[in-house]
Amino acid sequence: DTGVSQDPRHKITKRGQNVTFRCDPISEHNRLYWYRQTLGQGPEFLTYFQNEAQLEKSRLLSDRFSAERPKGSFSTLEIQRTEQGDSAMYLCASSLRTRDEQFFGPGTRLTVL
Amino acid sequence: DAKTTQPTSMDCAEGRAANLPCNHSTISGNEYVYWYRQIHSQGPQYIIHGLKNNETNEMASLIITEDRKSSTLILPHATLRDTAVYYCIVRVGSWGKLQFGAGTQVVVTP
Repeated sequence: DTGVSQDPRHKITKRGQNVTFRCDPISEHNRLYWYRQTLGQGPEFLTYFQNEAQLEKSRLLSDRFSAERPKGSFSTLEIQRTEQGDSAMYLCASSLRTRDEQFFGPGTRLTVL
Repeated sequence: DAKTTQPTSMDCAEGRAANLPCNHSTISGNEYVYWYRQIHSQGPQYIIHGLKNNETNEMASLIITEDRKSSTLILPHATLRDTAVYYCIVRVGSWGKLQFGAGTQVVVTP
């Protein structure tokens, strides 16, 4: 257990539905990252926050994806109108500003039917 | 960020040292070398990182060649729990996104 928690751990949804995932980072960590991982591939960067500011977004993050970190603590990742291609493991990581060893959560596995 | 090249897979006997190579021939002077690993069904785990000098911690040693075009991660006494995918990553600075490749699947056998 790294101290980063994600909820839910598994989500099965039907195509076209909206889903929201939550990440709770290690409490003193001010940086928070989202990654996506498909089977057999390494994680791909989606976006990252420093405190509540979203500082970078990948081109992978289409208009259907939105991430927030309203109070600089937990973060949510929402996918609207899910597609089968969104099926993946969604990973959250957090780090300190002064030492960027990223601590990863266990991930949320999304299956879109 | 510079790209890395790693073998797809390698086996290692339990109790022996595992030497994991990584090529990063286009690395720039301000890019660090990071190693993470991912045990099946878990998130990635930080192992070690370095810029120019060799580094050692409780998990592993990192040997970076003098020209910095390649590096080797050494697990001194591999155990079955070291079976994982190992990722070599280079990036500018010591913070920001990580760009993972496919990594090396390491299987430690009894």
